[in-house]
Amino acid sequence: GAVVSQHPSWVICKSGTSVKIECRSLDFQATTMFWYRQFPKQSLMLMATSNEGSKATYEQGVEKDKFLINHASLTLSTLTVTSAHPEDSSFYICSAIGQGGEKLFFGSGTQLSVL
Amino acid sequence: SQKIEQNSEALNIQEGKTATLTCNYTNYSPAYLQWYRQDPGRGPVFLLLIRENEKEKRKERLKVTFDTTLKQSLFHITASQPADSATYLCALDSGNTPLVFGKGTRLSVIA
Repeated sequence: GAVVSQHPSWVICKSGTSVKIECRSLDFQATTMFWYRQFPKQSLMLMATSNEGSKATYEQGVEKDKFLINHASLTLSTLTVTSAHPEDSSFYICSAIGQGGEKLFFGSGTQLSVL
Repeated sequence: SQKIEQNSEALNIQEGKTATLTCNYTNYSPAYLQWYRQDPGRGPVFLLLIRENEKEKRKERLKVTFDTTLKQSLFHITASQPADSATYLCALDSGNTPLVFGKGTRLSVIA
């Protein structure tokens, strides 16, 4: 089946620093990837849709200058949280659409803690 | 407004029993609905997809029903095992936008 690899699994950083999260599709090409954020006991909230070779589409309320998304190849999308603050602490998960365009394959997630 | 509701935040059942989880939605007309399993600190894993013209779908011990009149899907795990303990998310197709997820139901199967 389709495998999506996400790194790092967890990261602790100081307030004001930037953090980059990578999402790779290992055995298929993903023209579209999605980035979600999940707070404890809450639903997955879509942050943005990442399209290879074009600008990401951000959901309402998500700051595009704070959450930089780059999808430079068919197998790699990155999310950079710039000038992170404690309120950005959350579980970030990427996903890619499998063949058929219906099922989502998720990465293992990144737990970000900003001190 | 549009809503997806999984009416139980948590569900505890005895091993061997059938677990039934509910997903209700309002103001959506999904072409299909999906169920995912999420373990703590991990990304969700796809389990089943059911289309609007399907009443029921099965996969091993899992069964999903979809009633577009009631705007409801039921997710059943028969002969439940402690290893089935996880959070189960329903997600539906909302047309042109990506999948929209419910908050999930945390299932605990007690030995």
